[in-house]
Amino acid sequence: DVKVTQSSRYLVKRTGEKVFLECVQDMDHENMFWYRQDPGLGLRLIYFSYDVKMKEKGDIPEGYSVSREKKERFSLILESASTNQTSMYLCAIQGQGLQPQHFGDGTRLSIL
Amino acid sequence: LAKTTQPISMDSYEGQEVNITCSHNNIATNDYITWYQQFPSQGPRFIIQGYKTKVTNEVASLFIPADRKSSTLSLPRVSLSDTAVYYCLVGPNYGGYQKVTFGIGTKLQVIP
Repeated sequence: DVKVTQSSRYLVKRTGEKVFLECVQDMDHENMFWYRQDPGLGLRLIYFSYDVKMKEKGDIPEGYSVSREKKERFSLILESASTNQTSMYLCAIQGQGLQPQHFGDGTRLSIL
Repeated sequence: LAKTTQPISMDSYEGQEVNITCSHNNIATNDYITWYQQFPSQGPRFIIQGYKTKVTNEVASLFIPADRKSSTLSLPRVSLSDTAVYYCLVGPNYGGYQKVTFGIGTKLQVIP
């Protein structure tokens, strides 16, 4: 069974903190994705990576950065957390094609 | 990029067949159609993917007409555990990744 592991299920941070969300896969896939999910807005793509050290902006990259130093790990970084970044964050990897197929269980992040 | 439109919500009684339709009028030649299921507090789960005609697996069937401008996810004999949000996603499976956007999905409520 494919495993996409997100480091935390719940996280509480303070405004202005630098926040790291980690995602690890066990499938050796090239494409990895970070989404955020908010009520009424569905899943919105923040960043994706198609290989080590390669990244592309998604629809809402502002306030975020990413790091992919190893193929199995894709990190989302909130440089200076703000309350409007309180959300559910979902990591995903591609399936047989290019699209996200396997998702982690998400990290519910609260910024106070 | 193909945009998708789905009903926001649907209700169904247990044991009935449920059909959820997704419209994607500007689907491209190399786009595939992928459906996901999401339960509360979990990441989306891949259900089925297709390009044309009909695809069936142990969970669902996917019907795609010849013009591919829409697709229908069919869930046979739903149970209470099928209550979830269902997303339709349209995007290429080869030729390099392109950003695709999830809609807000269809919230299916199965009634006893």
